This record gives sequence, C-alpha cells and structure tokens, in this order.
Amino acid sequence: QSVLTQPPSASGTPGQRVTISCSGSSSNIGSNTVNWYQQFPGTAPKLLIYSNNQRPSGVPDRFSGSKSGTSASLAISGLQSEDEADYYCAAWDDSLNVVVFGGGTKLTVL
Amino acid sequence: QVQLVESGGGVVQPGGSLRLSCAASGFTFSSYGMHWVRQAPGKGLEWVAFIRSDGSNKYYAGSVEGRFTISRDISKNTLYLQMDSLRAEDTAVYYCSKSDDDFWSGYTPIFDYWGQGTLVTVSS
Repeated sequence: QSVLTQPPSASGTPGQRVTISCSGSSSNIGSNTVNWYQQFPGTAPKLLIYSNNQRPSGVPDRFSGSKSGTSASLAISGLQSEDEADYYCAAWDDSLNVVVFGGGTKLTVL
Repeated sequence: QVQLVESGGGVVQPGGSLRLSCAASGFTFSSYGMHWVRQAPGKGLEWVAFIRSDGSNKYYAGSVEGRFTISRDISKNTLYLQMDSLRAEDTAVYYCSKSDDDFWSGYTPIFDYWGQGTLVTVSS
C-alpha cells in the first residue's frame, strides 16, 4: 500500500490529452513539492517533472505538472505511442521523514 | 554527461550479504548527495538510503535500517550499499541515483540521474 495513491492504469489515443492523478495528504503533497518519473519497461526511471511543474531540459512541453492541496496531476497532451510507460509521483512526507512514491500508473496508448 | 553504473548484484541465500557498487562520472561526485532506490519485480519504486556529499550523514528506510549500510569513496567516485541479513523481500532491482543537491529532510529530493540498476535475488 503506497502512501501516495495513483490509478494503476490510464489510457488514451494518439493526439489525445490524458491526466494521471497522485493523491496524498497534508503531511506529504499538502506541504511539499511533487516530482514525476517516467519508466519504460526494463529501463531505469527518468526525471520528468520536478517542483510540481518544472520540466528538466529535454522533456517535451507536452508534459506538464500541477498541484492543488493534497493532490497532484501529470498531464500529457498530444499523446504519442512513445509515451507508453509507467509514471510515478514522489513527495517528501513530514510524518514519516522519508521520500515516498506513488504505486505507479501504467499508461497505454491505444 | 552524467553516468552511473551499478554492479554487484546476484543471487544470495536468505541471511546472506552482498555489496553493491555504483561508479559515477560526468559530475563532481563530492558535491552531491546520493541515493539507493529499489524496485521489486513487477512493483513500484521504494527509496532505500541516502548519503550526504561528504558522507557525514546517512539515512535509511525503516525496512532496511540496521541491515544495510550506505557509503561512498570520493577518491574512487563510487557509491556503495552493503546489504546484510538479506531477506526474500529484499529481492529487487537496485538503482543508484544522484540527488540534485545535498539536503535531506523537509524537502522532496530530486533524483535527477539514475543508473541502469542491478538485480539482487534473495532465494534459497
């Protein structure tokens, strides 16, 4: 059972906009920033979004992040087949004093 | 460019030990905190341990506290994870990851670069 809750799966068709949610509490998302990671099968995770809504160099602007209260979202616009991957959110938890991850969302491009 | 290369994984019996290494290059290793993060087969990511840039402070997940030891050798640009008293539930791919800075606590660390991972299997 992950501290941060993500839907196990999401899907969309090419060109569509999809969002992936990450739900937490006042001790994690409610008081700290959220980062997002993208992971393709058999490969290492890659930083996708940091500090709620910042993109590292090289990440397409089709990817965007937002946070409101104790929830965060990752949005992917203009969905492409190569976006098919697992996506994880992460945040510091003030009660546990560790960084916690969501359980991950498997995105399928139909 | 930043490169992190893990090694040392393998099959070990329950109760056994293993030491993982992570060779770092492409950045000033002595200036950044470093993490170990693991992923059990078919499961999500779990943070394991963090060490500050100078090795002065170390932090562990409760699930490994007292059994795992993180360390670093600045002269060799290498990060280590000594794993003792291994259990079946420690079976996972272990990734080393560079932190974007050197802080711990009260802030969400950014894992900005990751190694390719090394598989540890604990089984009799």
